[in-house]
Amino acid sequence: DQQVKQNSPSLSVQEGRISILNCDYTNSMFDYFLWYKKYPAEGPTFLISISSIKDKNEDGRFTVFLNKSAKHLSLHIVPSQPGDSAVYFCAATPSYQGGKLIFGQGTELSVKP
Amino acid sequence: GAVVSQHPSWVICKSGTSVKIECRSLDFQATTMFWYRQFPKQSLMLMATSNEGSKATYEQGVEKDKFLINHASLTLSTLTVTSAHPEDSSFYICSARRAGGLYNEQFFGPGTRLTVL
Repeated sequence: DQQVKQNSPSLSVQEGRISILNCDYTNSMFDYFLWYKKYPAEGPTFLISISSIKDKNEDGRFTVFLNKSAKHLSLHIVPSQPGDSAVYFCAATPSYQGGKLIFGQGTELSVKP
Repeated sequence: GAVVSQHPSWVICKSGTSVKIECRSLDFQATTMFWYRQFPKQSLMLMATSNEGSKATYEQGVEKDKFLINHASLTLSTLTVTSAHPEDSSFYICSARRAGGLYNEQFFGPGTRLTVL
């Protein structure tokens, strides 16, 4: 039972353009969502997060949007840079479970010069 | 700050042997550490949650007698894969939550690649 889904395994974007990575979830008890960036053979690094009481959070080139009614969140990267090329994981957590993270399958982003 | 290390970064072992992986929080105290497993091109799957000084809580389907977790101090947790078999080959990642930190803030180690021959 995949509670967090990233349906696009890969995404290719031209440098300078916008990258939009999508994530859907099924558990309405999730109240905090996070995006991580991961390079091969390395651990994930935190990018940005959003609480369920908000619908948008912005940090520099990264913006996360949350649509609770659709159980959907997205990560926008503007402008995309070649260094953004990596696998991006969204994760969700219900507060009642002590911070346990449920990860999506990941989307591999490739930003071409 | 908030650096987590893992040792070894990669290990190859023979089937039937046991392998220990260490996870250390280098510059903070971690009351809770998490162990994840990742298969190629797949998600990170939580295996267990360990709190310092108490028994680990394992996720459904994870054999606690096969994956022994010890969290004896606020900076060290170990995962021992006992009697390893080729199907245990995977990328194992730990994360740590800072003592007094946000419940949803985890800092990840670089991972350990285990290959069982």
